[in-house]
Amino acid sequence: DGGITQSPKYLFRKEGQNVTLSCEQNLNHDAMYWYRQDPGQGLRLIYYSQIVNDFQKGDIAEGYSVSREKKESFPLTVTSAQKNPTAFYLCASSPQGLTDTQYFGPGTRLTVL
Amino acid sequence: AQSVTQLGSHVSVSEGALVLLRCNYSSSVPPYLFWYVQYPNQGLQLLLKYTSAATLVKGINGFEAEFKKSETSFHLTKPSAHMSDAAEYFCAVSESGGSYIPTFGRGTSLIVHP
Repeated sequence: DGGITQSPKYLFRKEGQNVTLSCEQNLNHDAMYWYRQDPGQGLRLIYYSQIVNDFQKGDIAEGYSVSREKKESFPLTVTSAQKNPTAFYLCASSPQGLTDTQYFGPGTRLTVL
Repeated sequence: AQSVTQLGSHVSVSEGALVLLRCNYSSSVPPYLFWYVQYPNQGLQLLLKYTSAATLVKGINGFEAEFKKSETSFHLTKPSAHMSDAAEYFCAVSESGGSYIPTFGRGTSLIVHP
């Protein structure tokens, strides 16, 4: 089955700790994205990548970092510099460019204790 | 710069009634427009997409949307609501003024009463 997987589904972190969220796709898509979703805020773009070894900041990149060493993988690290990290994080991919339909993973809910 | 406004954070309808979810965008050039649906604790999935081929776009599950340039709108409709349509709906825009970076609206929660 082709699709996007995110792990873990739920993640708990203590304040001051970095944590990495996994995102893997086997759709052979070029572009990948990370969004943050808060109640009533819609989706806000954190980072996106259109090609391996290249990525760009989105609207709310501060306190986050990413890497794109392989086409199928786009992990997101939430650092201790992110002041309010508790949220639902969604990873997505699209076949080629930014105007393509995006295919979303099931999400990771991060809670900072 | 592009932006998307979804009027009404919650819309409540009776089963069998017309569904109308509103989306207005601000763009000076023809945009790509999308409607996505999100069920609780899940990712989003595409309902339909406008790419300038036709102003009336048909999507999955009986939904459709009409692109109206003069009103800068892309409202989502369905003639008859089902209980299974209860979900969060997001409008999104991608256009050259925003470097084609997708921008999502804040979402509209559709509530369907029996």
